[in-house]
Amino acid sequence: NAGVTQTPKFQVLKTGQSMTLQCAQDMNHEYMSWYRQDPGMGLRLIHYSVGAGITDQGEVPNGYNVSRSTTEDFPLRLLSAAPSQTSVYFCASSDGGLASGNTIYFGEGSWLTVV
Amino acid sequence: AQSVTQLGSHVSVSEGALVLLRCNYSSSVPPYLFWYVQYPNQGLQLLLKYTSAATLVKGINGFEAEFKKSETSFHLTKPSAHMSDAAEYFCAVITGTASKLTFGTGTRLQVTL
Repeated sequence: NAGVTQTPKFQVLKTGQSMTLQCAQDMNHEYMSWYRQDPGMGLRLIHYSVGAGITDQGEVPNGYNVSRSTTEDFPLRLLSAAPSQTSVYFCASSDGGLASGNTIYFGEGSWLTVV
Repeated sequence: AQSVTQLGSHVSVSEGALVLLRCNYSSSVPPYLFWYVQYPNQGLQLLLKYTSAATLVKGINGFEAEFKKSETSFHLTKPSAHMSDAAEYFCAVITGTASKLTFGTGTRLQVTL
């Protein structure tokens, strides 16, 4: 009963390095998304996907890439890390859209520090 | 566009006292509203959600929220606070048709003896 699994949980990067945050869900959900959480700003949407092969930008997409080659996986890539990307990242998934008001499930979070 | 505003970034209550965390929404269509709780260094856990079935929504851990259209509010309450309720609470609204959540800035609840 894994739900939404994120790896790694903690990561320290140097400015300019690249890395990928992994996200996998085992609930066969169509909708997946990435958020970042910063103090005093709540959670902000980075990218989202409504199904395999379909992705779109959220509120703060700059500096991040995503892909959705399978229903289960939705990795988030930082191409050239910057200190402003120091944050806590959450992956989320849901099996429905607005019409169903379905519950959105979150992963445990990935703490990223860019030095 | 839909949005939520949480009034008060920090709320402190005594153990056993009423908990009231405020959330107002802005939406041009009937909203789907959520309350999430985040304990230190953990992910977000759904407390409750409003999907237009009933205006008073009961959630986990004794929390409930009432949807008031006339006041555009969805305040979270609990009759008697417990030390274990200390956490950060987020109000959120679904935006668009792709399960995208727009979050408030959060309210940190402190419970004192």
